[in-house]
Amino acid sequence: GQNIDQPTEMTATEGAIVQINCTYQTSGFNGLFWYQQHAGEAPTFLSYNVLDGLEEKGRFSSFLSRSKGYSYLLLKELQMKDSASYLCAVPPYNFNKFYFGSGTKLNVKP
Amino acid sequence: GAVVSQHPSRVICKSGTSVKIECRSLDFQATTMFWYRQFPKKSLMLMATSNEGSKATYEQGVEKDKFLINHASLTLSTLTVTSAHPEDSSFYICSADGLAGNNEQFFGPGTRLTVL
Repeated sequence: GQNIDQPTEMTATEGAIVQINCTYQTSGFNGLFWYQQHAGEAPTFLSYNVLDGLEEKGRFSSFLSRSKGYSYLLLKELQMKDSASYLCAVPPYNFNKFYFGSGTKLNVKP
Repeated sequence: GAVVSQHPSRVICKSGTSVKIECRSLDFQATTMFWYRQFPKKSLMLMATSNEGSKATYEQGVEKDKFLINHASLTLSTLTVTSAHPEDSSFYICSADGLAGNNEQFFGPGTRLTVL
């Protein structure tokens, strides 16, 4: 089965850096995805990690450690528009399912 | 890029009626589509996996006779909520496998269902 854990809610200040963690225990591993979802909207793709290490993409970076079952999403130079929920997802080997973690609601304050 | 549409975006219906939600991949073919349900302030809960030309695979606890899924073509999957009740009110989102490569999921904009 799939067990994916994220903190429920975080608050950070505009311009700061925030790290959102995701731990997982899954039956099979086929990479880890991060998605952003604004309230009432569909999720949008942020990153995909399949190998260990840090992947940087502009203000957003994502890290993966397969041995520890751990990932984090790092958001730099926070902007008000970054206030959203951030979901991590870990598909199993056969990729016929796509499970999401509980999501982390990020509140960015001025 | 890959675009997935959903129709309708919002629907209000009376208790006991059935509602059909369409999910279309507009510029690519999707052999697999997923249907999710999302309650307010909660994450996406996978309901079922829809495979073109075969029966859908439902997650544990999801009633297949209540939520009928049909994947008639490589670009269209439908979810029909039969005999809807107020507790079925939710945000329903579909996604489709992206183009060959990283297995990214592309999401539709979602359908807000309200059952009175």
